[in-house]
Amino acid sequence: DVKVTQSSRYLVKRTGEKVFLECVQDMDHENMFWYRQDPGLGLRLIYFSYDVKMKEKGDIPEGYSVSREKKERFSLILESASTNQTSMYLCASSFEGAKFYTFGSGTRLTVV
Amino acid sequence: EDKVVQSPLSLVVHEGDTVTLNCSYEVTNFRSLLWYKQEKKAPTFLFMLTSSGIEKKSGRLSSILDKKELFSILNITATQTGDSAVYLCASRDFGNEKLTFGTGTRLTIIP
Repeated sequence: DVKVTQSSRYLVKRTGEKVFLECVQDMDHENMFWYRQDPGLGLRLIYFSYDVKMKEKGDIPEGYSVSREKKERFSLILESASTNQTSMYLCASSFEGAKFYTFGSGTRLTVV
Repeated sequence: EDKVVQSPLSLVVHEGDTVTLNCSYEVTNFRSLLWYKQEKKAPTFLFMLTSSGIEKKSGRLSSILDKKELFSILNITATQTGDSAVYLCASRDFGNEKLTFGTGTRLTIIP
């Protein structure tokens, strides 16, 4: 089975801190995605990547950046965390032409 | 901008009932519609639909797509407490690996 691993299940950070959320997949997938999930808003795409060192903005990229230096790892960076970034963050991966994504278990981030 | 709308937002039923979850979509170049089930952790894939009228089935779950009216339904018969979850619907365009998700339907099954 494909595994998508997010490094932290729960995270509490202070306003203004730089935050790194890590995601690793073990099946050589080309595509990786970062979503955030909020009640009443569903999953919204932040950034995605089709290949190493490539990144594209999703629907809500403001306040975030990403890094993909290796194919298996896709990092989401909050340059200066704010309380409105408190959310569940979900990473996903897929191979080119795949029917569906495989999701990680999520990181629940609280910014205080 | 692509849009996916799910209804109802939440639903509470008794064990053994049958439920129907709805998903409507507006996408520019439709390729497929997907259903996921999300319990406490990662969403897990249920169905992918690309053609109208062909019902996909997996045990007590089934789903159908209407490409003319731009909607899909997910049916669950003889519900069990283990069906309690958030059900997510997502659309996908051609030439694009992105999924656009709806808000989800939170289904609660009461024993």
